[in-house]
Amino acid sequence: TQLLEQSPQFLSIQEGENLTVYCNSSSVFSSLQWYRQEPGEGPVLLVTVVTGGEVKKLKRLTFQFGDARKDSSLHITAAQTGDTGLYLCAGYSAGNNRKLIWGLGTSLAVNP
Amino acid sequence: NAGVMQNPRHLVRRRGQEARLRCSPMKGHSHVYWYRQLPEEGLKFMVYLQKENIIDESGMPKERFSAEFPKEGPSILRIQQVVRGDSAAYFCASSPGLDSYNEQFFGPGTRLTVL
Repeated sequence: TQLLEQSPQFLSIQEGENLTVYCNSSSVFSSLQWYRQEPGEGPVLLVTVVTGGEVKKLKRLTFQFGDARKDSSLHITAAQTGDTGLYLCAGYSAGNNRKLIWGLGTSLAVNP
Repeated sequence: NAGVMQNPRHLVRRRGQEARLRCSPMKGHSHVYWYRQLPEEGLKFMVYLQKENIIDESGMPKERFSAEFPKEGPSILRIQQVVRGDSAAYFCASSPGLDSYNEQFFGPGTRLTVL
């Protein structure tokens, strides 16, 4: 069974700090998607990474796809309270883009 | 360009009743996915449909649960004879198709409470 493991499971930081969350697997993925989910809402797609070594930036968020396409990271610079939420990674395994494999998420709390 | 719509947002049912959850995909999207999410658990895949076809229902319980995506109208997830264990948030996602990155876009969810 292919798994995506996300770490840390929980993270509580102060506003202005930097943080990195990770999404790891022993399997190769053709693409990985990062979502953020707020309480009571559905996941919102942040970014899709498809090329090994790819780096994408979305304002203060930097996403990286590992060279071997088995892992990904999300780095947030100068976190704000509005960044609070559950960060989920999900990917399509190589050769199968029908069914996403999901991680359990990192729950981030940014305190004022 | 409206996003994925789900209704109702909240649904309360007594044990033994039926629950019908509706999902209208984004305009131009012909693929629909249903997920269930419990507190402290991840998203659990239930079923993947295209118009008038069930493509993958490997995550759907064999009994009481069914899904459809008719030629016209929204996709429906139907739960018959609900039990307390069915209480969860149910999310629908849509995608434009397999010839893209097949990015899935989610609706706001339906929170089902079974009394």
